[in-house]
Amino acid sequence: QSALTQPPSASGSPGQSVSISCTGTSSDVGDYKYVSWYQQHPGKAPKLIIYEVNKRPSGVPDRFSGSKSGNTASLTVSGLQAEDEGDYYCISYAGSNAFGVFGTGTRVTV
Amino acid sequence: EVLLVQSGAEVRQPGKSLKISCKASGYSFTNYWIAWVRQMPGKGLEWMGIIDPGDSDTRYSPSFQGQVSISVDKSITTAYLQLNSLKASDTAMYFCARGLVWFGELFSHFDYWGQGTLVTVSA
Repeated sequence: QSALTQPPSASGSPGQSVSISCTGTSSDVGDYKYVSWYQQHPGKAPKLIIYEVNKRPSGVPDRFSGSKSGNTASLTVSGLQAEDEGDYYCISYAGSNAFGVFGTGTRVTV
Repeated sequence: EVLLVQSGAEVRQPGKSLKISCKASGYSFTNYWIAWVRQMPGKGLEWMGIIDPGDSDTRYSPSFQGQVSISVDKSITTAYLQLNSLKASDTAMYFCARGLVWFGELFSHFDYWGQGTLVTVSA
């Protein structure tokens, strides 16, 4: 099972928006609504920010939103803030054998 | 409060074995799966495997199948990751995470994570 493809980096100024793509195949992203996104700050555990393509857990600001089209899922961060800087990873369900696969990760710079 | 508390940092020599733990509390242990995720220094997150604490049904990533072993002890709500024949390339941070799996098959997401266990393999 190959990792999902994310751009290595993305950047924006405070207040701007940034979008991160997560490209898979018809066997993972394209076939299921189970895409989630995680934010990781240096030296910390990842934190869930989006699940099931576009749902936000309690406590996650509505500046974070998710979507999916075909084999590509996307995370958009609107109104960028300094604390949004970090690494972002997607995961997709990939069937009962592989179960789950991570994206390659994107470093967001504000 | 849901907590996943992992065992402390470890240093091992090449060829040795190691078992690290993830103690769960604050929820019904058998209602959620537990996964292990590797992060090598300066690299991304890698899915190693996931276990259903209810019946120990375990699914390994093809990349880790046969290289690691995942288990649970329901009596003490703890999950384990066994690493055998350690190599320098096993040096990494290992995270456990609580997974929501629908109908025993459809993985949705990880909602809680452990703090990570740093494993260093060096002679």
